[in-house]
Amino acid sequence: AQSVSQHNHHVILSEAASLELGCNYSYGGTVNLFWYVQYPGQHLQLLLKYFSGDPLVKGIKGFEAEFIKSKFSFNLRKPSVQWSDTAEYFCAVNAGGYQKVTFGTGTKLQVIP
Amino acid sequence: NAGVTQTPKFQVLKTGQSMTLQCAQDMNHNSMYWYRQDPGMGLRLIYYSASEGTTDKGEVPNGYNVSRLNKREFSLRLESAAPSQTSVYFCASRGGPYNSPLHFGNGTRLTVT
Repeated sequence: AQSVSQHNHHVILSEAASLELGCNYSYGGTVNLFWYVQYPGQHLQLLLKYFSGDPLVKGIKGFEAEFIKSKFSFNLRKPSVQWSDTAEYFCAVNAGGYQKVTFGTGTKLQVIP
Repeated sequence: NAGVTQTPKFQVLKTGQSMTLQCAQDMNHNSMYWYRQDPGMGLRLIYYSASEGTTDKGEVPNGYNVSRLNKREFSLRLESAAPSQTSVYFCASRGGPYNSPLHFGNGTRLTVT
């Protein structure tokens, strides 16, 4: 069965600091990986996704993520965060060929001006 | 484009009461999902429907039933509500291949007293 782990539950950064949020999944076969963001009071929106090809994927608002197959990881990065990045970030996986999508427990990011 | 529409937005139930959460999408998507979101637990899949006429259990199906009424609509029913079902419920849909992102509704905040 597929599963996702996000080890950082709450991260506090100052504006302009660099961000890296961890995501590890467990599934032995082909996977599709996603990062979603949820701003306060809103529903989830897609940040970026990986399904094949270049393991470094770029998303909206300057976010990027790197798929490292040997480590079963898909970490999210941003070189310089802004106050407006304050939100909760979710990693998600679905095994290739299946419609079931599993989410991690989320990481709350607080950016201090 | 309305996208994914959930009703109601808020609901308060007493223990033992029943209710149905409605979800409709206008994007002609094949797959639809019901998640619940609880603090510290991320999004947990309740049920999903990979295509019209099929439904499958997710991680936390106990206490819930679903109906895929047609391609557009996917309802979630609580037959006998319990305080443990107090949560925010999100409906989502997905079209296209397995690497397509989920599109979320705005959620239903349910309180069971």
